[in-house]
Amino acid sequence: GAGVSQSPSNKVTEKGKDVELRCDPISGHTALYWYRQSLGQGLEFLIYFQGNSAPDKSGLPSDRFSAERTGGSVSTLTIQRTQQEDSAVYLCASSFTGAVEQYFGPGTRLTVT
Amino acid sequence: RKEVEQDPGPFNVPEGATVAFNCTYSNSASQSFFWYRQDCRKEPKLLMSVYSSGNEDGRFTAQLNRASQYISLLIRDSKLSDSATYLCVVGTSYGKLTFGQGTILTVHP
Repeated sequence: GAGVSQSPSNKVTEKGKDVELRCDPISGHTALYWYRQSLGQGLEFLIYFQGNSAPDKSGLPSDRFSAERTGGSVSTLTIQRTQQEDSAVYLCASSFTGAVEQYFGPGTRLTVT
Repeated sequence: RKEVEQDPGPFNVPEGATVAFNCTYSNSASQSFFWYRQDCRKEPKLLMSVYSSGNEDGRFTAQLNRASQYISLLIRDSKLSDSATYLCVVGTSYGKLTFGQGTILTVHP
């Protein structure tokens, strides 16, 4: 079946612009996670969704970052007023609740110029 | 101090070699433990879960020592295709994952 998909695969934006990154999890997966991977920082957790609610958003780096999930499926990560330090690969993962394995999408490579 | 610490390497080994990676974690409340593999410019993929009793999957053996908060991965009879970055990962009860910086492995002919 289809895996986790993310769009766009690459995004180049000017500093100060807003961007939206999309994640389509595996059908039926109730848990959804956003991570960020940047040079020198490794992979870091951003936010966790269980259904449409986000019980853990402790990893969002600033109030410029927000995320939502609708219909227990698609999630959107929004970065407002992008900064150069936001440049990274943004990865989405999904799983069944309580499952061991998370399945990662291919990521969105964001470059802020 | 990082929550999950690994030797970044790189490890350069010949085919057929045995190589061991180690990792320590700081959060004693961690519930789950994994090794992930990440190929260049690709997403991470689960290699194996790690249990206190130790577990083996073919050429790969993983071990967890909860008392020492230490995780290991042993790769025997290395193949060229094992070249990748190996990520030590710990998780919470609801699946939030904390990643180590990764250890780069290059297996050469």
